[in-house]
Amino acid sequence: DTAVSQTPKYLVTQMGNDKSIKCEQNLGHDTMYWYKQDSKKFLKIMFSYNNKELIINETVPNRFSPKSPDKAHLNLHINSLELGDSAVYFCASSHQRRGLLSGNTIYFGEGSWLTVV
Amino acid sequence: ELKVEQNPLFLSMQEGKNYTIYCNYSTTSDRLYWYRQDPGKSLESLFVLLSNGAVKQEGRLMASLDTKARLSTLHITAAVHDLSATYFCAVDPPLLNTGNQFYFGTGTSLTVIP
Repeated sequence: DTAVSQTPKYLVTQMGNDKSIKCEQNLGHDTMYWYKQDSKKFLKIMFSYNNKELIINETVPNRFSPKSPDKAHLNLHINSLELGDSAVYFCASSHQRRGLLSGNTIYFGEGSWLTVV
Repeated sequence: ELKVEQNPLFLSMQEGKNYTIYCNYSTTSDRLYWYRQDPGKSLESLFVLLSNGAVKQEGRLMASLDTKARLSTLHITAAVHDLSATYFCAVDPPLLNTGNQFYFGTGTSLTVIP
């Protein structure tokens, strides 16, 4: 069973289109994330979300919006796609941060390769 | 702005050699994580370091953490080709009123040459 699954894995679309990437986790985690990995492999957090709070990285354009129908899902919707949006988008999940002596591993999905042409 | 920097960004080393990857971070964090990413794949957890002075070893990799210096190291012993991958460190500082977020380093792309 895949712990964090995201679809589609590959997406090629034209500029100006709107697209969504879906993510589901079956780990019982209460926090989910979206990361963007660019061509230089830099990983940048876009959003973190738990059932109480959405944290938005202020550098993320408002064309990107996360939508969470329930605790196990965090979808990413992108409006008016631009060439610069081409990247790999990773969904991830973890428990909410615990006490000092508790590690808190974050688990990643397989990634969604988005190409905007 | 929180920064997590790794050094070097690219590393090419011969099989059998030793080397260390460095991870510096700019904010207080009581723990640090190391991940591995193979080309075209997802990220896989390697180590979780939970306190100052923590050291963990798995095979030819050993990670350590110095929270006072805000520095973690990933030491590679007698490198083999299978270790070729990109290695990331990450911190999840206890940011006030923001739950938790994981911030990843710039990554170190390691190539082990026969």
